[in-house]
This record gives sequence, structure tokens and C-alpha cells, in this order.
Amino acid sequence: GEDVEQSLFLSVREGDSSVINCTYTDSSSTYLYWYKQEPGAGLQLLTYIFSNMDMKQDQRLTVLLNKKDKHLSLRIADTQTGDSAIYFCAESTPGSSASKIIFGSGTRLSIRP
Amino acid sequence: DTAVSQTPKYLVTQMGNDKSIKCEQNLGHDTMYWYKQDSKKFLKIMFSYNNKELIINETVPNRFSPKSPDKAHLNLHINSLELGDSAVYFCASSQDLLRRTEAFFGQGTRLTVV
Repeated sequence: GEDVEQSLFLSVREGDSSVINCTYTDSSSTYLYWYKQEPGAGLQLLTYIFSNMDMKQDQRLTVLLNKKDKHLSLRIADTQTGDSAIYFCAESTPGSSASKIIFGSGTRLSIRP
Repeated sequence: DTAVSQTPKYLVTQMGNDKSIKCEQNLGHDTMYWYKQDSKKFLKIMFSYNNKELIINETVPNRFSPKSPDKAHLNLHINSLELGDSAVYFCASSQDLLRRTEAFFGQGTRLTVV
């Protein structure tokens, strides 16, 4: 079945870059997403990448996709205290009757001063 | 202007009770979901509805019964609540099954069963 895995914790110093990694098993995954969940809040879509892309950049966020290794990463440049949150990797394959979004376990990003 | 709204935000109830959580989306999406997030923050899909029809039921106990009166609403009714049902329940919606399925989430309902 589909599975998405992430490390549970990441601690970085303020101003450094954060890199959150994710691996997935479904080779037919079409879209891969990064969601952010702040304490007590719902999930907010940060960015997504289509499976035929290798990289996507959006301001401080860079998403890298290695489809061969089924590895996705999210790099946050110049990490700020407001970036403290849980980051969820997710994958989906639209177009099927069982289309759904599968989430990883989430990576809790904490920022050190 | 809330896109996906759930009520209530917090729900504390005793074991054995029956409760409902409501969800509404004003995005015109065809597909709606319920996800359960446990204390370790693991997020698991429970149900998916497309145009009021059940598409996915991920081995959720029969005590959980979703109801979709129209495609803008997906309510979750839970019978005979158990301690293990304590979690945060998220409703979400996405445009449709054929295109990109990025999901928009509600703020969550924190259910505590005592």
C-alpha cells in the first residue's frame, strides 16, 4: 500500500536553512505536497510539485523531487521563529476512484535562537 | 469567508455518548474528507466523499457514520464514544478526483472522551 515517511523532529538555528525530508512508496504518485500545521491550527498547503518536475522554488521555499528514489525534500531558507510548526509531506494520485491524499507522520521543526 | 469550516472546535463528552461534528465548504469542491489526527500527530484518512457518494472508508469502526446531505457538507456522527476516539478530527475538501487533489483543511475539532 501507499506509505509516506518522514523523520519526526528537526531543530535548526534561527537564520540557518532547514531541510525536511520525505520518502514515499507509491511510484504512481502524481502530486506531492508540503503542508504546515501550526499549534492548534489546521493544515495549510505550503507548496506542491507535480511528479514530472525536479524542483520548485517559491520565495524561501525550495522543493526537490527525486522520482527515481521517491524522495522529496523541503528547504526553508533563513529559517525564522514563525516557521516553527509541524510539516507534513503528502502524496496523491488524482483520477482514480480511490483518489486520496496520504500524509506522512509530520516533522516537528523547532528553531533555536 | 471561511473556506472549510467545522463545528464545534472543541468537544468534551463522556464515554458511551453519541456526538456529531459538522463540516461545510464554500469552495464549490466535489470531494470532501474526514481525517483523524492522533496524539502523536499522525494524520489518517477516514472517509472520502465525492458528490455525496462514499468513495473511501478506511476500515473505520461502524460507530463512525459520515453523512453528506449535499456536496458542500460532510458531517461525522459517532455513536457510543470510546476513550480511544479522543483525537483531532479534520474535515477537508478538494476540487475533484480528476484534477490536482490539493486539499483545503478546516481548523479541526478536538474531541476529548472522558
